[in-house]
Amino acid sequence: AQKVTQAQTEISVVEKEDVTLDCVYETRDTTYYLFWYKQPPSGELVFLIRRNSFDEQNEISGRYSWNFQKSTSSFNFTITASQVVDSAVYFCALSFQGAQKLVFGQGTRLTINP
Amino acid sequence: GAGVSQSPRYKVAKRGQDVALRCDPISGHVSLFWYQQALGQGPEFLTYFQNEAQLDKSGLPSDRFFAERPEGSVSTLKIQRTQQEDSAVYLCASSLGGPSGLPSYNEQFFGPGTRLTVL
Repeated sequence: AQKVTQAQTEISVVEKEDVTLDCVYETRDTTYYLFWYKQPPSGELVFLIRRNSFDEQNEISGRYSWNFQKSTSSFNFTITASQVVDSAVYFCALSFQGAQKLVFGQGTRLTINP
Repeated sequence: GAGVSQSPRYKVAKRGQDVALRCDPISGHVSLFWYQQALGQGPEFLTYFQNEAQLDKSGLPSDRFFAERPEGSVSTLKIQRTQQEDSAVYLCASSLGGPSGLPSYNEQFFGPGTRLTVL
């Protein structure tokens, strides 16, 4: 069975603080894909990143960075120097070869206070 | 270019009514997905089309839910005899897609969703 757990339901920080969103996944597949999506108040899911199971290199994109660790089945997302515009619900998701549907976690509501 | 569009954006139905939700995918996208997102939850997969073929409908919660994509482009999700538990946002996504089993993955582009409220 495939499952994604985002244990943090809500996080609130003050602007410019760093914040890490946790994601733990379960799958028996050896080939799989991990994602992060952002859902602002408008409701539309915005793709942030995709990693495949064979690439454990961490990735940095501007203020965003991702830490993929197969040993702990985790794919955590860090925002450095957070900004008010980062406020949204963030979803971690999993997909696997042969079935492109996404399995989402329950999401983490991130609020950045000025 | 235009993204995925969905209509209506909001729908209020009385319990027992039938509803039809429309999704216009990105032109040329082979794959189309429907997800259901209950309040405060992550989206949950409903069904998947590759062109006009419905390849996976394992997520449809009951036989009251029916989806079609007759010409391989626009898709309609129909819910018959709506119940209060059907209240949710229904998201549509499309991707370039292709046969399953390929080593690569195609990014899914999501529409804004239809918020269905059943009274």
